Amino acid sequence: DIQMTQSPSSLSASVGDRVTITCRASQTITSYLNWYQYKPGKAPKLLIYAASNLQSGVPAGFSASGSGTDFTLTISSLQPEDFATYYCQQSYSSPWTFGQGTKVEI
Amino acid sequence: EVQLVESGGGLVQRGGSLRLSCAASGFTFNNYLMTWVRQAPGKGLEWVANIKQDGSEKYYVDSVKGRFTISRDNAKDSLYLQMSGLRAEDTAVYFCARVDADYRFYYYYMDVWGKGTTVTVSS
Repeated sequence: DIQMTQSPSSLSASVGDRVTITCRASQTITSYLNWYQYKPGKAPKLLIYAASNLQSGVPAGFSASGSGTDFTLTISSLQPEDFATYYCQQSYSSPWTFGQGTKVEI
Repeated sequence: EVQLVESGGGLVQRGGSLRLSCAASGFTFNNYLMTWVRQAPGKGLEWVANIKQDGSEKYYVDSVKGRFTISRDNAKDSLYLQMSGLRAEDTAVYFCARVDADYRFYYYYMDVWGKGTTVTVSS
């Protein structure tokens, strides 16, 4: 199975901060990498697919890059609604696997 | 409105069974691969199972193989997860999700999610 490792596991930030989350795969996954936002009690939300493609309706303040084994998600200016947990997920091979999550809090 | 609504969760004894349902609306259900994902208390998201559009192929995470069965009824726009031999470690919120793809390269991603249904396995 492909292991996905995110860092950091949590971070404290303020509104307006630039935030970067990294995700590393245990083997190459080319660009088969997605990013999700999750808030408890709500449906998870797709932010980025295929490593760098912004999902329709997602604010342009979110961006992502990477290929192979190393990926990043960047929030250019943190908004109050962005405080949540973020997950990367690979769809390169079954079983699909998620990172352990990065909790972004105040 | 594109929507997925899960139901069927509850409290069940270890070794018991439960059937989860997911009702889809607002899109052509039989055009999409569908999936179940879960989140155990204090843990991250874990992919559980996939089913192809016509139900012909199904894939599972190793920890549920032989115990869980994913199925769908395209006439009813519904996805199911039959769970048996439940264990304490199956306690989780279970989400159903629609899987879309960039079919030029088969980049799969989960673009529509439900809010989840909670399964608690008591010992």
